[in-house]
Amino acid sequence: KAGVTQTPRYLIKTRGQQVTLSCSPISGHRSVSWYQQTPGQGLQFLFEYFSETQRNKGNFPGRFSGRQFSNSRSEMNVSTLELGDSALYLCASRSGQGDSGANVLTFGAGSRLTVL
Amino acid sequence: AQSVTQPDIHITVSEGASLELRCNYSYGATPYLFWYVQSPGQGLQLLLKYFSGDTLVQGIKGFEAEFKRSQSSFNLRKPSVHWSDAAEYFCAVGAEDKIIFGKGTRLHILP
Repeated sequence: KAGVTQTPRYLIKTRGQQVTLSCSPISGHRSVSWYQQTPGQGLQFLFEYFSETQRNKGNFPGRFSGRQFSNSRSEMNVSTLELGDSALYLCASRSGQGDSGANVLTFGAGSRLTVL
Repeated sequence: AQSVTQPDIHITVSEGASLELRCNYSYGATPYLFWYVQSPGQGLQLLLKYFSGDTLVQGIKGFEAEFKRSQSSFNLRKPSVHWSDAAEYFCAVGAEDKIIFGKGTRLHILP
């Protein structure tokens, strides 16, 4: 079973640009969550999508958005990039319904964004 | 509101010594609890999880954790650490709603 795949793994952008990150979940998983990881702040929850609908949202500005497609693949977009957006963006999938085991997150390797 | 606190940012132990990483949480009901490990440049790997039942749970790589409801804690333990255990460890809490993480504890191993 393939794991969670995130692309690109590394990217460099400049302030004011926008970026789109992609996440392909484990086959059969309908939930995709996004986290921002920075030194000192740990993993901060961005949002979760389930069956193409945003199910939960963290406390991030509207510049951060996401979507999920019918095949469960998800993208997140950050517009008008700021220096503070430099981070490792982690995607995680879970089946999202069923027994308690459905709530175990499986993570991708992350997309490291550097904003200059 | 749910929250997770890992009070130790860094911990250093000697190889072969025992380890305990602390985790306290705040949640409205009995949550699901998790410990994950992250090696440099990698994503997070699940070490163990607690959903219900026996409060002492066993995980991979010889780790175990104990859920103590009265203390709202879920501490991670290992009787004898190996140099390969050097990594960052994250405690997480949640349920069918969002799962949130603590800020992590970085484990350093002395030879």
